[in-house]
Order: sequence, then structure tokens, then C-alpha cells
Amino acid sequence: TQLLEQSPQFLSIQEGENLTVYCNSSSVFSSLQWYRQEPGEGPVLLVTVVTGGEVKKLKRLTFQFGDARKDSSLHITAAQPGDTGLYLCAGSTQGGSEKLVFGKGTKLTVNP
Amino acid sequence: KAGVTQTPRYLIKTRGQQVTLSCSPISGHRSVSWYQQTPGQGLQFLFEYFSETQRNKGNFPGRFSGRQFSNSRSEMNVSTLELGDSALYLCASSHNSYNEQFFGPGTRLTVL
Repeated sequence: TQLLEQSPQFLSIQEGENLTVYCNSSSVFSSLQWYRQEPGEGPVLLVTVVTGGEVKKLKRLTFQFGDARKDSSLHITAAQPGDTGLYLCAGSTQGGSEKLVFGKGTKLTVNP
Repeated sequence: KAGVTQTPRYLIKTRGQQVTLSCSPISGHRSVSWYQQTPGQGLQFLFEYFSETQRNKGNFPGRFSGRQFSNSRSEMNVSTLELGDSALYLCASSHNSYNEQFFGPGTRLTVL
């Protein structure tokens, strides 16, 4: 069973700081997704990366897929309290017909 | 388009009882997946239905079952509830080859 390890598990920072969270595996993924979940709600898809080395930007969020497609990172610039939430990565090794594997997440708190 | 809806949002049951949760996917989405989320284990995959057939299954006991109807709506059932079944149960629908998940708000199940 492939596993996705996310680090750090918890992160508490001040508004305006930059941060990076990581998602690592020993398995190769055909695609990898990042989600953000706020308390009492379901996760919301942020981005899907599919090509090794791919970089995608979503406003202040930058997502990178590792060259070997075994890892990914999420970098947030000038974090804001609205970025607070649980960040989850999820991967698929074979494409749409196979179940996704989720990491346990990074719980981010951005203090005003 | 309306998002994924789940009913009920909250449920309190006692040990030994059974429960049925309902999910309506986004219109046009044929894949529906169910997940259990707990603080200790994170997001764990239960099963996925596609065109009324179970396509993937996670590592949960047979007390957990599901089905999908011809209109893509899905239900999951948990029989003989145990205290450890207390969790947030999330339903997600998908429509593309990357299996991007669109989650509902979840059903919070508490077993006393």
C-alpha cells in the first residue's frame, strides 16, 4: 500500500510569514492533488499536478510536483488568517479508476 | 451547479444500532466515493461506486456497506455500530480521469 507522508503535521505562524509544507512518498504517482479543509466542512480541491517538475500557482500558493513524481510541495507567500486550515495531499498511481491515497495533512494556523 | 449534498449533517446513535447516510453528487458526476475522517487516522477511503457498481473498496469490515442508484445518488450503511465508528463521514463525487474529488460537507456521526 502506497503511503503519503505529510510534514510538518502542525504549523503555527504569524500573518505575513512564508511557509512550505511537504508531501512525500516512495511510490510514483500519475497525478497528485492538494486540498484545503476548514473546520466542519469537506476538503476543497486546490490544484492537480500531473507532470514531473510541474509548477502551478494559485494567487499566493505555489505547488510543485517532484521531477520523479514521488513528492510535492506547497509554498504559501505572505500567509493570511484566511489560509488557516488542514492541507491534504492525495495521489493516484494509475489514474482515474484507482482510489486516491490521502496523506494525514498539515494543520496550518495563521495568527493575525 | 449545486455541490455535493449529504444528509443528515449530524447523527447520534448508540452502540449496536445501524445507520444510513445519504449523498447526492454533483449533476453529471458518475463516481461517488465515501471516506471516514478521524483525528487519529485522517481521511480513510471506504469505497467508490461508479455507474451503480462498486469499483474500489478500502480496508473496512463488512459492517460498512454502500450502494449507488441509477441517478448516481449513493447511500452508505453501517450496521452494529461501535464506539470507534464515531467520525466525520465524507462523500465525494468525481467526473474526470484524474479522479478529482468534490466533497460534501460531511455527516458527523457520534456513537454513544
